[in-house]
Amino acid sequence: AQTVTQSQPEMSVQEAETVTLSCTYDTSESDYYLFWYKQPPSRQMILVIRQEAYKQQNATENRFSVNFQKAAKSFSLKISDSQLGDAAMYFCAYRSVHGGSQGNLIFGKGTKLSVKP
Amino acid sequence: DGGITQSPKYLFRKEGQNVTLSCEQNLNHDAMYWYRQDPGQGLRLIYYSQIVNDFQKGDIAEGYSVSREKKESFPLTVTSAQKNPTAFYLCASSIGRRGDYSDEQFFGPGTRLTVL
Repeated sequence: AQTVTQSQPEMSVQEAETVTLSCTYDTSESDYYLFWYKQPPSRQMILVIRQEAYKQQNATENRFSVNFQKAAKSFSLKISDSQLGDAAMYFCAYRSVHGGSQGNLIFGKGTKLSVKP
Repeated sequence: DGGITQSPKYLFRKEGQNVTLSCEQNLNHDAMYWYRQDPGQGLRLIYYSQIVNDFQKGDIAEGYSVSREKKESFPLTVTSAQKNPTAFYLCASSIGRRGDYSDEQFFGPGTRLTVL
């Protein structure tokens, strides 16, 4: 079974600076999808960024980018120019390309990010 | 506006009672999901449905039941058999195109269930 590990329960960053959140996963599959979700204090889950495992290029969405290291099974999220609104829980998630229950999201336990003004 | 609604936002239950959490979506999505979130934990899948009149157990289905009679609706019943039901419950949906597992899951605002 696949597992997702976020080793940083909490992180802190100064406004306007850059922070990197770590995520590692375990799988025997060669093709899959990886996601970062944000959960602000409102608790509404929002997709931040996604990565297809077969793509070499790291995904980027404005100030958010990933460092995808397939061999190391690592999928870190970098937030540049941090803003107060970035303060939230961040969850890393894995999704198999196979059908049935294996196609569902597997989440890490999350990293709570604080942004200092 | 298209989206997912969950009601109620807060729910209190006495021990031994069944309660039903509502989840409705107007995104025309085929797939719907229920997750449970506990403090310090990620989301864990309770049940999912990829099409009307069909649903499957997730990782922690014991003590829960669902129905999917309409495409738009996927209610979750927390039964008295669920030993520790106090948690935050999130409903999600996705397009659910067969063979496409890159599709985004959209989440509702959640229901906080507390057992008194």
